[in-house]
Amino acid sequence: EPEVTQTPSHQVTQMGQEVILRCVPISNHLYFYWYRQILGQKVEFLVSFYNNEISEKSEIFDDQFSVERPDGSNFTLKIRSTKLEDSAMYFCASSVPTSGSSYEQYFGPGTRLTVT
Amino acid sequence: QKEVEQDPGPLSVPEGAIVSLNCTYSNSAFQYFMWYRQYSRKGPELLMYTYSSGNKEDGRFTAQVDKSSKYISLFIRDSQPSDSATYLCAMSHPLYGQNFVFGPGTRLSVLP
Repeated sequence: EPEVTQTPSHQVTQMGQEVILRCVPISNHLYFYWYRQILGQKVEFLVSFYNNEISEKSEIFDDQFSVERPDGSNFTLKIRSTKLEDSAMYFCASSVPTSGSSYEQYFGPGTRLTVT
Repeated sequence: QKEVEQDPGPLSVPEGAIVSLNCTYSNSAFQYFMWYRQYSRKGPELLMYTYSSGNKEDGRFTAQVDKSSKYISLFIRDSQPSDSATYLCAMSHPLYGQNFVFGPGTRLSVLP
């Protein structure tokens, strides 16, 4: 069964450093998303991406964040200068916008980001 | 008022019990309703997806949506210890595109 994969599973970085989180969405999916979940809190939407551009973003997704689809398979989230409060699980998700399944988003296992 | 609310639990039931998990929401524009299961330190796993009001059944799982009451439910029949997880509801409406608003989750523990 196809699945979303994410690397690394755990990333430790120092405050102020740049990090890139990587995702490989399901191959025939066209919409890609990033969510985050701070420990013990709810899953929060960050950004959606379609046709090589951002389609929606939340207030959390400020200028420190960027997304890219550098090739036909990878989807990345970059945080330019990490802060302590960026420590969270980051989930990538993907969906295929066909009738009846537009809202079936499939999540990856997450990358745990720890900023020290 | 929070947009989507869930009883955080933990909810403990004996194996074989029928489990009822619920979410309430405030935004009447929500039209798409999803239930996800999340094991500890794992990604959310899609269980059920419904559009607008009504029921949907898939194996031991039944999802109900009551838009007039702004209330959705997930029922699990013949619960198993492997059902022990956090259950998240999520919802969306056209103004949000495909971006979901998640509830905080209900932690379920099924005791053997």
